[in-house]
Amino acid sequence: KAGVTQTPRYLIKTRGQQVTLSCSPISGHRSVSWYQQTPGQGLQFLFEYFSETQRNKGNFPGRFSGRQFSNSRSEMNVSTLELGDSALYLCASSPGRFQETQYFGPGTRLLVL
Amino acid sequence: TQLLEQSPQFLSIQEGENLTVYCNSSSVFSSLQWYRQEPGEGPVLLVTVVTGGEVKKLKRLTFQFGDARKDSSLHITAAQPGDTGLYLCAGAKTGNQFYFGTGTSLTVIP
Repeated sequence: KAGVTQTPRYLIKTRGQQVTLSCSPISGHRSVSWYQQTPGQGLQFLFEYFSETQRNKGNFPGRFSGRQFSNSRSEMNVSTLELGDSALYLCASSPGRFQETQYFGPGTRLLVL
Repeated sequence: TQLLEQSPQFLSIQEGENLTVYCNSSSVFSSLQWYRQEPGEGPVLLVTVVTGGEVKKLKRLTFQFGDARKDSSLHITAAQPGDTGLYLCAGAKTGNQFYFGTGTSLTVIP
C-alpha cells in the first residue's frame, strides 16, 4: 500500500497570503489528522476529520481550517498568514476507529516571509 | 503548556552506551505511542502500549507504560548511530486525538 502523501513538500509565502495544503491518506483509511510542528512548540494537534466531518479540533485560531472529501483526501487552509505560521505541517491517517495507530506523511514545510 | 513532558530534551552519547528517555504527564492516557522522526520526514511509529505496567521490547529498545498510565519510558541498549533522531511520545485520550510530548533529540556518535 502506498503511504500518506502530502503536497506540496515545500512552500514559501508572504505575510497576509493564504495557503492550501493537501493530504492523501493510506487507501482505506477514513480518518485524517493535521499537526503543526515547530522547534519551540513541538507537535501541536490542529484537527481531525472522519468521513468528511471534523471530529476533533485543537486550540488554533479560525485562520486554520480544513476539509475532507468523499475519497478521504483532506486539505488544510491557512488564511492571512503570519510569520509564526512557518512550520512543518504533518498529516496522519488511520483507519478511523478511535485511538488507532496513526501513520504520518512526510509533511509540508511552510516558510512565511 | 504541554500535556506530556519528555526528558531529557537533548542527548548526545557514544555508540555502545545505554540511555533512557522519559515521558511524563499528570493525565491518564488510554494508550501511549512512541515515534522516531528523522529530519525532513514525518514521525514513524515504534510501538503502542495500552495496559498499565506493560513492557514491550523491540530489538534493543524497551518500552514501559507506567502502572497509572500517566508516564512511559524508552530504554535503548547499546545505542548505534542509526538510532539518531527525534523521539516523540504521544498519548491518546478521548476520541481520536493524540497529545505529543516535547520530544527528545538523540545523537549517537560513532
